[in-house]
Amino acid sequence: GNSVTQMEGPVTLSEEAFLTINCTYTATGYPSLFWYVQYPGEGLQLLLKATKADDKGSNKGFEATYRKETTSFHLEKGSVQVSDSAVYFCALSVVGAQKLVFGQGTRLTINP
Amino acid sequence: DAGITQSPRHKVTETGTPVTLRCHQTENHRYMYWYRQDPGHGLRLIHYSYGVKDTDKGEVSDGYSVSRSKTEDFLLTLESATSSQTSVYFCAISDYTDTQYFGPGTRLTVL
Repeated sequence: GNSVTQMEGPVTLSEEAFLTINCTYTATGYPSLFWYVQYPGEGLQLLLKATKADDKGSNKGFEATYRKETTSFHLEKGSVQVSDSAVYFCALSVVGAQKLVFGQGTRLTINP
Repeated sequence: DAGITQSPRHKVTETGTPVTLRCHQTENHRYMYWYRQDPGHGLRLIHYSYGVKDTDKGEVSDGYSVSRSKTEDFLLTLESATSSQTSVYFCAISDYTDTQYFGPGTRLTVL
């Protein structure tokens, strides 16, 4: 089947710290992989995506690399800001079905 | 931002009453989705639509029905609301890519 497992939260860091949020997946076929971000009181926004193995998605200083050999898509940022405080969701596309499967979300809090 | 609105944004209702949530898009996208968001579960798909009058069930469809009579509108109905349906509901749309764009959400409380 298709599933996504994310690092347990919540995660609390100081401003300018290095961020990693782990995401691993199981899937049939070769899905696209996504990171979405949800700021307080808002809907989900696409942060970045990768469509094939070894692709790197990047946006707003965040990066994630599609690793087929480890079935992972870890989110990283070199220096976080208070404004990065949000809930982050990893997701995969179900091949041939036009649907997404989401992880449970990781709440990130950045302290000044 | 994708043109997606949801109404109402907040609703409090009582157990056993019918509730309808509306999702409206201005992007003319073919696919529309309803999710619910609950702590510890991420987002779970309730129903989706792949065209006018074409809908299918997601993983948590029991107790919910949907209708899509126009490209731009996708309605989610709780025929008889229960406390377990207290949640935040999100609508999403997509075109022929696999990227989905989300609405702002509706917070529903069933007392």
